[in-house]
Amino acid sequence: KQEVTQIPAALSVPEGENLVLNCSFTDSAIYNLQWFRQDPGKGLTSLLLIQSSQREQTSGRLNASLDKSSGRSTLYIAASQPGDSATYLCAVNKGGSEKLVFGKGTKLTVNP
Amino acid sequence: SQTIHQWPATLVQPVGSPLSLECTVEGTSNPNLYWYRQAAGRGLQLLFYSVGIGQISSEVPQNLSASRPQDRQFILSSKKLLLSDSGFYLCAYLWGRGNEQFFGPGTRLTVL
Repeated sequence: KQEVTQIPAALSVPEGENLVLNCSFTDSAIYNLQWFRQDPGKGLTSLLLIQSSQREQTSGRLNASLDKSSGRSTLYIAASQPGDSATYLCAVNKGGSEKLVFGKGTKLTVNP
Repeated sequence: SQTIHQWPATLVQPVGSPLSLECTVEGTSNPNLYWYRQAAGRGLQLLFYSVGIGQISSEVPQNLSASRPQDRQFILSSKKLLLSDSGFYLCAYLWGRGNEQFFGPGTRLTVL
């Protein structure tokens, strides 16, 4: 059974700092991995999708990497801003079934 | 472009009452549709998914049911709500060759 773990559960940083959020999964037979952002009381916003054949994806100040063999992904946020404060969720697609298995998220607070 | 709607946004219901949550998608045809529940401290859990009209797959046994009466409409129902049905319900659709999932704004359900 696929399990997804995100560390740390919460992170507080000063504005301007570069930071890394971690995601690990137990079954490396994944189809893709998605990173989402969730603001309090809101739905999920898709940030980046990495296919299993890819090593990384970039969007603006965000960079996500994938090491499928070791079951790990990282989300790098450059020059963090208070508007980046949110919960970040990692999810893997179970290969062919298209059903996402989620981690519990990392709650990020960026202090001005 | 695609959009996804959910209603109501919030709902407070007594134990034992019925439930009907609706999700509609615009801008795409024959999407895969999903219902997830997000409960405090438990992360996101897939409840149901549908690959077409009238086709429903249940991921976990529960007090809820789902229906897909039209191509772009997905409904989550219950005949009698339990306290444990409280949570944040999210609908999602699958789009693109990369099998990326996009989420609606969610419905906050409180059962008293």
